[in-house]
Amino acid sequence: DAGVIQSPRHEVTEMGQEVTLRCKPISGHNSLFWYRQTMMRGLELLIYFNNNVPIDDSGMPEDRFSAKMPNASFSTLKIQPSEPRDSAVYFCASSLENNRGGYTFGSGTRLTVV
Amino acid sequence: GQQVMQIPQYQHVQEGEDFTTYCNSSTTLSNIQWYKQRPGGHPVFLIQLVKSGEVKKQKRLTFQFGEAKKNSSLHITATQTTDVGTYFCCYNQGGKLIFGQGTELSVKP
Repeated sequence: DAGVIQSPRHEVTEMGQEVTLRCKPISGHNSLFWYRQTMMRGLELLIYFNNNVPIDDSGMPEDRFSAKMPNASFSTLKIQPSEPRDSAVYFCASSLENNRGGYTFGSGTRLTVV
Repeated sequence: GQQVMQIPQYQHVQEGEDFTTYCNSSTTLSNIQWYKQRPGGHPVFLIQLVKSGEVKKQKRLTFQFGEAKKNSSLHITATQTTDVGTYFCCYNQGGKLIFGQGTELSVKP
């Protein structure tokens, strides 16, 4: 099992540009989560999906952020337009719906907006 | 809203010393999970506790869930340099995991 796969690992972009982060969850996991980690705010849940349906997006900072899950094996998190304060590590995680085995996190995407 | 507080925020120990981090909630938790994140890495699931007073061990790590299900602890016996990282407790709220702020452990060889 390859685990949760995120791409890219690192992204440096200029303010105002669109950024798309990608995630492939573990096959068979039906819950997917996007987290953001910064020194100041720690690990924050942005949005999560159950069976490809967005369940709770209350953590999405503002309208510049959007997430999709078109099928069970792929999700994207898009920031448009990006701002320097969006610089952070973005993690995708997946789990079985009952969550007893915990979440499996991807290696993350380190985003730097200059 | 409900949240968990972890103490201490940082802990520096000499290799071989014991280490404990505490997780406290103002309300009863249905369960608690612990994760470890190495520097530059991603959180890795360690364990889930569900029952009141539950104690689980993983080699040198001992996890406890309080009788009132409002607190939890992680104890590491005889720390090693491989134990370096940030330890997070978190709880499940409506299908999503809410993370504490973590305890960062450094180990001096």
